[in-house]
Amino acid sequence: DTEVTQTPKHLVMGMTNKKSLKCEQHMGHRAMYWYKQKAKKPPELMFVYSYEKLSINESVPSRFSPECPNSSLLNLHLHALQPEDSALYLCASSGDGQITEAFFGQGTRLTVV
Amino acid sequence: GQQVMQIPQYQHVQEGEDFTTYCNSSTTLSNIQWYKQRPGGHPVFLIQLVKSGEVKKQKRLTFQFGEAKKNSSLHITATQTTDVGTYFCATERGYQKVTFGTGTKLQVIP
Repeated sequence: DTEVTQTPKHLVMGMTNKKSLKCEQHMGHRAMYWYKQKAKKPPELMFVYSYEKLSINESVPSRFSPECPNSSLLNLHLHALQPEDSALYLCASSGDGQITEAFFGQGTRLTVV
Repeated sequence: GQQVMQIPQYQHVQEGEDFTTYCNSSTTLSNIQWYKQRPGGHPVFLIQLVKSGEVKKQKRLTFQFGEAKKNSSLHITATQTTDVGTYFCATERGYQKVTFGTGTKLQVIP
């Protein structure tokens, strides 16, 4: 199974809502990532988890809160977002080998209203 | 942090023509990866280059890593409509810190 599964595929939320994005992989990968991608821009790294511990936070606002419950799951909790946070949120995972190929999920298209 | 620049930003080619995108960095890169993202899709890994001057081929795609490890290129021979998408180079700026270049969007005219 070389899939990274993200849910939901689409999400519309108000600025006062709390929601969560979910990501799952069963490839035994120990590194998991959250990226944000705005239209016509490259994916922008947000967080990296390595062996279930947060190893990189790219100065992301606290209204985004990542969580790694176990080695297969990665969540992104959203609270009090702004309309400018609307974007495609991509989850990815990679293994420990010499080739650090990142496998991406299909993404969650988030709209903040 | 410093972003890896890609040129051109956009390229329209007639089907059957060749296409090249270039990835440039002002600093030495530990490795370079290439990804393809179809319209409405997610990035898909194509290849990783690690050695100075490395050249790898995948069917009609040829990837090069510069001798100084500061630039890379992806060349597609005889483009097809299935090649449409945005091509990103990416590199590790620190352990597991994979960051993407600015991307080149390829449009193939049938």
